[in-house]
Amino acid sequence: QQQVRQSSQSLTVWEGETAILNCSYENSAFDYFPWYQQFPGEGPALLIAIRSVSDKKEDGRFTIFFNKREKNLSLHIKDSQPGDSATYFCAASASSGSWQLIFGSGTQLTVMP
Amino acid sequence: NAGVIQTPRHKVTGKGQEATLWCEPISGHSAVFWYRQTIVQGLEFLTYFRNQAPIDDSGMPKERFSAQMPNQSHSTLKIQSTQPQDSAVYLCASSSPGQGNERLFFGHGTKLSVL
Repeated sequence: QQQVRQSSQSLTVWEGETAILNCSYENSAFDYFPWYQQFPGEGPALLIAIRSVSDKKEDGRFTIFFNKREKNLSLHIKDSQPGDSATYFCAASASSGSWQLIFGSGTQLTVMP
Repeated sequence: NAGVIQTPRHKVTGKGQEATLWCEPISGHSAVFWYRQTIVQGLEFLTYFRNQAPIDDSGMPKERFSAQMPNQSHSTLKIQSTQPQDSAVYLCASSSPGQGNERLFFGHGTKLSVL
């Protein structure tokens, strides 16, 4: 049973559009949700993160919308660029427990020029 | 700042051989994490150290896998009697004191291929 689930394995958008990547989780104890971006041949890199006390976190073109009641969140990438083409991982952890991050299976985003 | 350094980048072993993977965390970072990445399983947590002490190894297969951090500048992941299902990219990450798991800096990974 996946604790963190990303429903789309892949997503294709056109340059300039808003890409929306979805994520859901099972464990109510999770309270920290980072998104990591990974390019081929590299390790993942932190993109943006949110804590469960907030329902929105914005950083430039990237915004996380968080719904605690529904146990889901989404990453919105506004004005998508070809350089945003990468795999995006949603992750979760509980601050009361181990520092272990549980990752979703990832969504491969392709931005067409 | 060279980032997290993992060596080798690629390792090919025969079934039954031993593989040792090396990780040099970012200088000054106090936590080191090991993850395994495959197409099928995605990113799986293996273990982590804080100030060189093993804290959580709940993701480590109980047989054949072991991890150590003999000093603050490197950690090793050893796989004994490698099997084809061990083929994966092994990722090491580190984080700075006070950051916990809030910001993990990952290395490029070691791609292990077991023939």
